Amino acid sequence: EPEVTQTPSHQVTQMGQEVILRCVPISNHLYFYWYRQILGQKVEFLVSFYNNEISEKSEIFDDQFSVERPDGSNFTLKIRSTKLEDSAMYFCASIAGEPETQYFGPGTRLLVL
Amino acid sequence: AQRVTQPEKLLSVFKGAPVELKCNYSYSGSPELFWYVQYSRQRLQLLLRHISRESIKGFTADLNKGETSFHLKKPFAQEEDSAMYYCALIRYRGAGKSTFGDGTTLTVKP
Repeated sequence: EPEVTQTPSHQVTQMGQEVILRCVPISNHLYFYWYRQILGQKVEFLVSFYNNEISEKSEIFDDQFSVERPDGSNFTLKIRSTKLEDSAMYFCASIAGEPETQYFGPGTRLLVL
Repeated sequence: AQRVTQPEKLLSVFKGAPVELKCNYSYSGSPELFWYVQYSRQRLQLLLRHISRESIKGFTADLNKGETSFHLKKPFAQEEDSAMYYCALIRYRGAGKSTFGDGTTLTVKP
């Protein structure tokens, strides 16, 4: 069964550094999402993406964040200047269409020191 | 604003006992509600969605618009049901905003 994949599985970075988290959605999927989960807290929506543009974003998704689909397969989340509070698990998800079943990737655990 | 509330952070039952995980939502339009499950060290996976009205792994959930609830139920809990359960609301179809509840950790004791 096809799966959403994410790389890296873990990333440690220094505060102020830029990070790029990568996701490969399922190949025929059209809608893409990023979520984050701070340790011990709930899953939080960051952004949704369709047709090469952002559809929705949360208040968390400020100017420090950006998303791209640089080619036909990857979907990336960039954090320009990481802060300590960006430390979290970041999940990518994708949807083929209706009915919506969001398929989640395994997550990238980001630690900002 | 859309909101999902799962009032129980932890729920513990014995094997064979009924289990109900509560979910209440706040949303002005027609909600699309889902239950996701996360087993230890695994990714989030869809358990149920209200539009399909199906039963997965013995779990069912009924949308009650009057009570704005979407509680997850299973008549006889199994040890392998131990996991974190999230209730989620998607505002509209397609690339809409998703809101997750805080999650309930279910422990089924032998």
